[in-house]
Amino acid sequence: IAGITQAPTSQILAAGRRMTLRCTQDMRHNAMYWYRQDLGLGLRLIHYSNTAGTTGKGEVPDGYSVSRANTDDFPLTLASAVPSQTSVYFCASSEAEPNEQFFGPGTRLTVL
Amino acid sequence: GQNIDQPTEMTATEGAIVQINCTYQTSGFNGLFWYQQHAGEAHTFLSYNVLDGLEEKGRFSSFLSRSKGYSYLLLKELQMKDSASYLCAVMDSNYQLIWGAGTKLIIKP
Repeated sequence: IAGITQAPTSQILAAGRRMTLRCTQDMRHNAMYWYRQDLGLGLRLIHYSNTAGTTGKGEVPDGYSVSRANTDDFPLTLASAVPSQTSVYFCASSEAEPNEQFFGPGTRLTVL
Repeated sequence: GQNIDQPTEMTATEGAIVQINCTYQTSGFNGLFWYQQHAGEAHTFLSYNVLDGLEEKGRFSSFLSRSKGYSYLLLKELQMKDSASYLCAVMDSNYQLIWGAGTKLIIKP
């Protein structure tokens, strides 16, 4: 593993289903982030974690939850998916603010 | 509210120079970032400005004026591989990044 990996690459999901997007980094960064990217809009922060064991809400947290059991992993869960959650989801990490964030390749999620 | 504005799309010619502007209004300022994103790929870091002035890094330069809430990314000697989206992001007083929608840059031969 080099950098940040995300899985799956893409997913089509029926509305109402539960889905977990996975994110793993091998840079031992303390901070991790989940964003969604929608056409015509900037990246919007869903949740973040400044260090293992802590999480915080971003700009658009409703309908999403996260956990940070260890430094490397930061999964994002949609408890009951809705069509408005169709988006491209990016995970990112950084050593500490205000350093640059390193991004994963993204997960394209379609909720029908 | 917080706002980042940048042009939606720009077109330039291979070998030329292009300037992508970004204006911002945020609650606090802890630096401005520029990222590049090729279609379907991860965002890659280009530059970080926290003080006024020009930062040069090879063919790419980034300028910041905090008093004007303004930055630009300057790309010289354009290559076809520079076709991508360029995103401006400001770190606010809570150290969270506020993102612009990105500028799609199209390079023509």
